[in-house]
Order: sequence, then C-alpha cells, then structure tokens
Amino acid sequence: DADVTQTPRNRITKTGKRIMLECSQTKGHDRMYWYRQDPGLGLRLIYYSFDVKDINKGEISDGYSVSRQAQAKFSLSLESAIPNQTALYFCATSGGNNEQFFGPGTRLTVL
Amino acid sequence: AQSVAQPEDQVNVAEGNPLTVKCTYSVSGNPYLFWYVQYPNRGLQFLLKYITGDNLVKGSYGFEAEFNKSQTSFHLKKPSALVSDSALYFCAVRDNQGDYKLSFGAGTTVTVRA
Repeated sequence: DADVTQTPRNRITKTGKRIMLECSQTKGHDRMYWYRQDPGLGLRLIYYSFDVKDINKGEISDGYSVSRQAQAKFSLSLESAIPNQTALYFCATSGGNNEQFFGPGTRLTVL
Repeated sequence: AQSVAQPEDQVNVAEGNPLTVKCTYSVSGNPYLFWYVQYPNRGLQFLLKYITGDNLVKGSYGFEAEFNKSQTSFHLKKPSALVSDSALYFCAVRDNQGDYKLSFGAGTTVTVRA
C-alpha cells in the first residue's frame, strides 16, 4: 500500500550493529504499529503508538526500541542486532474502529 | 487475553472449486474480526471485517466470511477459487475495549491448482 512506506526494503547487517527501520504514512492516522513476521508464527506486535506522546510495548518488545517523530513517522530500532531478529518487519496504521493498513515490509537479515 | 487459531497450515483446492479457510478466536467481550491476504513479497492486504450486524460479511475479490458467535468462528470462503487466490491468509481479532491491538493467527497457505 503506497500510503504506508517502509525503508529500507531489505537490509543485511552483522551481529551487534545498530539498525533503524523507518515507516512513514500519508493516511493521517494516529495509531501506528510495528510487527515482525516469522514463518509459522504469524505477525507479532513489537510496539504500538496511539499518538506522538503515547508509546506502548507489544508482546515481543525486548531488544527493540521505537521513536514517534511525528504523526506520520514511526521508527523501529535494534540497538544491538542478533541473529534471531532476522525476520520480515511490517509497519501498520489504523484510524477509528477500522482495519490496519500495512506497509510493504522490510526484510532484515542479521548475520 | 485474545487469540486466534487457524487450524490448517495449508489448503489446496482446484480452480473453480469452493475455498474455505478456517479461523476460530478467543476474546473478552465482543470481537472485531479481520481477514488479510499476503501475496509473495508483499505486505498484508485487507480483505474484510466483522464489527457488528449481519453475520455474513462480503469483502474484496469475491471473498466472504461468516461470523458464528456460538462456535467462535470466522471462516473465510469463496464460492469459486482462482489460481490468483494462491497466497497466505491471516485471520485477526481484537476486543472492543479500545486498545486497538490485533492478534493474528499463524496463517494458512492457500494453493489453487489449475
């Protein structure tokens, strides 16, 4: 969905490196989310934010941090990447009681 | 706590045959239910949702789903499958208490053979 963009789309990094994944949206939604997808596990929530001043941990926040720089921008950081953080990462947004809209994903490989 | 179960990892059907992807859920209060589809190397695309009202919900690409409260199910259906329906399908649920967090199932891979 072009309304939600993620950069980079692919990233290979080494153990111990700091990495930031960025998400931008033009939908005007207040709520933004970060998920990781692993085969056979579906999507698991890492962090979510209901507005610029509201950040909440999801079910698997250990090893991750986030920053909500503006209503439209929500970044995910791995302070010291480890191999089991290799996954597909998705950003999503939502408004009202409606569905979430997902970005195209970032494929992260940690060697 | 809320959760979703998709009991089938894979569903294989012939083109033109009916397609059903199963989903059961557990949630406190009234559920908000969603189906998403993921094509290879793409993000998740919304198919349909149940919030309230008619138990039969119609969505994109000819898909529909039936909410069954007594069986806590929300199965996705399509009367006549297409090869292009081959993808990974996710069911998701959240409660109506306002924290807006979705819980996803593990996904079901659908393969439609020509």
